[in-house]
Amino acid sequence: GENVEQHPSTLSVQEGDSAVIKCTYSDSASNYFPWYKQELGKRPQLIIDIRSNVGEKKDQRIAVTLNKTAKHFSLHITETQPEDSAVYFCAAPSWGKFQFGAGTQVVVTP
Amino acid sequence: GAVVSQHPSRVICKSGTSVKIECRSLDFQATTMFWYRQFPKQSLMLMATSNEGSKATYEQGVEKDKFLINHASLTLSTLTVTSAHPEDSSFYICSAIGQGDNQPQHFGDGTRLSIL
Repeated sequence: GENVEQHPSTLSVQEGDSAVIKCTYSDSASNYFPWYKQELGKRPQLIIDIRSNVGEKKDQRIAVTLNKTAKHFSLHITETQPEDSAVYFCAAPSWGKFQFGAGTQVVVTP
Repeated sequence: GAVVSQHPSRVICKSGTSVKIECRSLDFQATTMFWYRQFPKQSLMLMATSNEGSKATYEQGVEKDKFLINHASLTLSTLTVTSAHPEDSSFYICSAIGQGDNQPQHFGDGTRLSIL
């Protein structure tokens, strides 16, 4: 089955700086990689995803990069704002189900 | 689009009670629904995968007789926590995936279950 590792577990950044979260996966057949943002007590919300036929995808201040050879993908948040503070999860599919990373607590300080 | 409705949002009940949680896809047909459990400050732990019209597939360590899953239609799956005990207290979240390859999961709002 899939094994997903996510780092770092916590990330503190100054407002305006960039944040990067990295995930590695084990199943070479995985071909779809979503990132979720979860605020306390709320549902995980899809913020960006990438399919294996591209190496990078960007949506305003958020971008995801994928290295299929090395089996890792990263979330990049630029010009961070206090409302970016949340827990972020990566996920990778395997055999019809998703394995989630352990999560990264991002704290953006003004 | 792609809205998943989960009810109830919060349940507080006595030990020994059975609790039923509903998960509905409102504007799409969900070929697969997932049930997760989440402890404070932890990741989502997959409990079972539910496909319409077939038996759910449970993850290792999840008791199928304890957590009954029914996926009667392409828009509704239910999770029943039978004879709940305090250790079953947790945040339960469902998600649904539409038809086609590489579709994103859409999550319900979750149900906070507290067993006294």
